[in-house]
This record gives sequence, structure tokens and C-alpha cells, in this order.
Amino acid sequence: QAVVTQEPSLTVSPGGTVTLTCGSSTGPVTNDLWPYWFQQKPGQAPRTLIYDTSNRHSWTPARFSGSLLGGKAALTLSGAQPEDEAEYYCMLFGSPRVFGGGTKLTVL
Amino acid sequence: EEHLVESGGGLVQPGGSLRLSCAASGFTFSSYWMSWVRQAPGRGLEWVANIKPDGRDQKFVDSVKGRFTISRDNARNSLYLQMNSLRVEDTAVYYCLRDYGGVWGQGTTVTVSS
Repeated sequence: QAVVTQEPSLTVSPGGTVTLTCGSSTGPVTNDLWPYWFQQKPGQAPRTLIYDTSNRHSWTPARFSGSLLGGKAALTLSGAQPEDEAEYYCMLFGSPRVFGGGTKLTVL
Repeated sequence: EEHLVESGGGLVQPGGSLRLSCAASGFTFSSYWMSWVRQAPGRGLEWVANIKPDGRDQKFVDSVKGRFTISRDNARNSLYLQMNSLRVEDTAVYYCLRDYGGVWGQGTTVTVSS
């Protein structure tokens, strides 16, 4: 079973840009693993921001974008807002599915 | 609107059993792989199990193999997780998740304690 790695924590300034990454112990992350990105705030259920590498939901702010970058899945936040402070998880759709450990994003 | 609602959580003693349910609405339930995901207190998300649209294939994380079963009733738009031989480390919020597109329920809490 793959181990999926994320940065444990990142900090971004309000209005700034930050990229979160999601790597796999089994090799490069490709579109075949359909990377997903989820946002979770304290006391709330997760919600899906990005699916299939780069697709946004209707509720996903345009400042969030997904891509592949250097063999990893990436979530880029451009123009960070205070309400973006949250835990972010990626998931790779291998068999079995595997979550990353999460990135705690601080907007400060 | 696509919606998932979990139920069936509660307090159970170690070695006990519990059955979780997830009611789906707003989409064609029978077309999608469905998963159960859990989150222990203060920890990250852990994928637990999933099931094919026709119910004929299921996958499990190693820590629950042989103890948990996943099933579905497409006529009732419902997903289930039967949890047997529960352990203290199974304590978590359990979420129902539609695999494609990532539709989440609000979660149901399972506490395993004596």
C-alpha cells in the first residue's frame, strides 16, 4: 500500500500564494490516480475542493486550483483569505484508496 | 442536491458490534463506488472500505479486514458498514463518501470503550 505524503504545515500571508503537494511512495503521481483535495475546518466534515487532479466543484472558490507538479499532485491557493485557514488532505484513487496525512494551513 | 446522511453510531464495548447506515439522495446511487472514511479524535482521515456500484467487489484497509463488512442496497439508496469485534482504536467519526466527485456525509460518531 502506498504512503501518501503532504507537508505537515504551511503558512501563507493574506493575499499570498501557496502550493500544497501530495506525493506517493510508489512513484510519480499521475492523472491515473485521480488526485482529490479536501478541506476540513475544526468541527466540520471534510468537503471536496478538487477532484480528478484539477476539477473544481461549484462551491470551490476560483482561487484554488489543482495540477500535477514535479511528480506530485499540487493544490495552489492564489490570494489566500483568512477563511482558507484549515486542514487540507489529498487522496489518491489507487486500490486501496489512500489519504495523505494532511497539511495544516495557517493564514497569517 | 446531492446528499449523504449517516446514522447508527454510538457507544459500544470492546468486542461489540455496530452497524452504520448511509442514506443517499439527489443522485443515481447505483452508479457510483461508495466508501467509508473515518477520523479518530485529533487525527487525520483514514479510508476504511469501499464497494463497487453493483456490490460485487469490496476493498478494506488492512486494520479492519475480517472484522468489518461493507454492503449496499441500491433499491433503498443505502450504504452500510457492519463493524464486528470492535476495538478501542476503532473510535472515530465515520463518514460516508461518494467516490467520484467526493460527496461527503456529515459523519456519525463511534466510541468503543468499556
